[in-house]
Amino acid sequence: DIVLTQSPGTLSSSPGESATLSCRASQSVNSNYLAWYQKQPGRPPRLVIYSASNRAPGIPDRFSGGGSGTEFTLTISRLEPEDFAVYYCQQYGSFLTFGGGTRLDIK
Amino acid sequence: EVQLVQSGAEVKKPGQSLKISCKGSGYTFASYWIAWARQMPGKGLEWVGIIYPGDSDTRYSPSFQGQVTITADISISTAYLQWNSLKASDTAIYYCAKGGDLYPNWFGPWGQGTLVTVSS
Repeated sequence: DIVLTQSPGTLSSSPGESATLSCRASQSVNSNYLAWYQKQPGRPPRLVIYSASNRAPGIPDRFSGGGSGTEFTLTISRLEPEDFAVYYCQQYGSFLTFGGGTRLDIK
Repeated sequence: EVQLVQSGAEVKKPGQSLKISCKGSGYTFASYWIAWARQMPGKGLEWVGIIYPGDSDTRYSPSFQGQVTITADISISTAYLQWNSLKASDTAIYYCAKGGDLYPNWFGPWGQGTLVTVSS
């Protein structure tokens, strides 16, 4: 199975700043099968990015995804208070796997 | 509006059985993958398994194979996750989510979650 490693484990940023989250795969991932989710406490996960770089409906353009092969990124610019959450990358290869998550904290 | 609505919180004893549900609306339920995921207290997200309701093609994460059963009833647009014998380690929030039509490559929207508590 493909293992996804997210870094950093925790990222502290301030509102208005930008944050870049990383997701590294143990094997090459088809970009069509790489997604990012936002998880806030007490709420279900929310699809943010699909096919590595496409924003899900309702996601502001402050969110952007990129990368290919084994290296993928999620960048959030002009951080808003509601952006502080845990973010997970996910791939679908032989089966689905999540990364371990990056917690984006308010500095 | 596409929605997934899950059944309510459950409190069970070890060894008991349980079946939780996820009802889809606003789309053709039979034609899209449904996934189940778990979040244990203080932990990250894990996939449990997926089902294509139209033909009941079901696949499980290796960690959950043989531990749970995923089914779907397209007549009532509902997917299920069931256990025959619960363990304390099954305590978690379980989410269902709608996937793609051809491939289960990303999932959204998600149900609100079902808290399962297993305690003697």
